[in-house]
Amino acid sequence: DGGITQSPKYLFRKEGQNVTLSCEQNLNHDAMYWYRQDPGQGLRLIYYSQIVNDFQKGDIAEGYSVSREKKESFPLTVTSAQKNPTAFYLCASSIGDRGRTDTGELFFGEGSRLTVL
Amino acid sequence: QKEVEQDPGPLSVPEGAIVSLNCTYSNSAFQYFMWYRQYSRKGPELLMYTYSSGNKEDGRFTAQVDKSSKYISLFIRDSQPSDSATYLCAMSGHYGGSQGNLIFGKGTKLSVKP
Repeated sequence: DGGITQSPKYLFRKEGQNVTLSCEQNLNHDAMYWYRQDPGQGLRLIYYSQIVNDFQKGDIAEGYSVSREKKESFPLTVTSAQKNPTAFYLCASSIGDRGRTDTGELFFGEGSRLTVL
Repeated sequence: QKEVEQDPGPLSVPEGAIVSLNCTYSNSAFQYFMWYRQYSRKGPELLMYTYSSGNKEDGRFTAQVDKSSKYISLFIRDSQPSDSATYLCAMSGHYGGSQGNLIFGKGTKLSVKP
């Protein structure tokens, strides 16, 4: 079955530690995204990537880093510089702009819940 | 004023009721409007997609867009307990969301009681 796999589902981190959240998709999508979801805040865009080896900052990129070495993979590192990292993190993908077939629909993973102790 | 406003609820209705969920927005460039449904501890999934103004119906769900009022709605007829979820509106001014410019509302939490 095609889809997006995020791991781990739950993660605990001590203050000062970096953690990396995994996101893999087998939908053959060009574009991938990371969102953060906090209660009462909705979804906020952290980083997105339209193509391999390229990515752009979203609205709240400070304290986060990403890489896009493969089309299928878009890992997110939450660094110790992120002041309030406890949140629900969602990875998503979309077809991308090729051939103007992309309606903008995002396909989401099941999320990773990060708690800083 | 935020770009997209959505009442967070929570909204509680009895089974069989008609549910109306709404979002208002300020950016007149938005042309693509979506509703996502998110069950607890899961990722959102696309429920309805509408381009520009008008209505779209899919089973028990109807999406309406009124660009003149900058107002979008999602109606759920004959609501079921399985409809209990958070509903997020989302919109974009660009064809294709890969520019990272899809703007989400904060979501409305709906509970349908048997």
